[in-house]
Amino acid sequence: KAGVTQTPRYLIKTRGQQVTLSCSPISGHRSVSWYQQTPGQGLQFLFEYFSETQRNKGNFPGRFSGRQFSNSRSEMNVSTLELGDSALYLCASSPGTPPYEQYFGPGTRLTVT
Amino acid sequence: AQSVTQPDIHITVSEGASLELRCNYSYGATPYLFWYVQSPGQGLQLLLKYFSGDTLVQGIKGFEAEFKRSQSSFNLRKPSVHWSDAAEYFCAVGDMGSGNTGKLIFGQGTTLQVKP
Repeated sequence: KAGVTQTPRYLIKTRGQQVTLSCSPISGHRSVSWYQQTPGQGLQFLFEYFSETQRNKGNFPGRFSGRQFSNSRSEMNVSTLELGDSALYLCASSPGTPPYEQYFGPGTRLTVT
Repeated sequence: AQSVTQPDIHITVSEGASLELRCNYSYGATPYLFWYVQSPGQGLQLLLKYFSGDTLVQGIKGFEAEFKRSQSSFNLRKPSVHWSDAAEYFCAVGDMGSGNTGKLIFGQGTTLQVKP
């Protein structure tokens, strides 16, 4: 099976802009989770989508949003970018049922200038 | 709230030596436990997982981990380290308090350096 793919791999944006990241999960997986990884805060959960519905959400401002399509592909959007949003954004694919093991994509490296 | 602690931020071992990376979690019942490895600039690769049953679990790349309920620990071990094992290792627990969903709580990670 093909693994989790994320596009683009690298992005450079300016403060105030918005950005959309894409994730294609492993075939047959119905859950997609998003994580933000920074040197200072480590790996932090953003949200999870399961069958096109947001099932869980982390403690991030409303500028961070996401969605999932009927083919389980997911997008996350960050509006009004801030310098602190610079991070590696990781998408994880899971069957969506216990024990919820997750398989990660290579990530999108976002740099905000 | 659940939490995961990896006490060692950085560990250096010689190639061929044994390795143990520590992980402690905070949760009342038996959680889902995972170890991931991340090479520079890469995503996370699942090494092994524990859900129930045998407390010693085997993973990929020769790694194993032991679940000890009495110590709330899930330490990762490898009998003989290879230079290619140099990477960052993350312990994670499934957040059972969030309604049985796919949220993982990660430790801060342990960076492994391997000396030739």
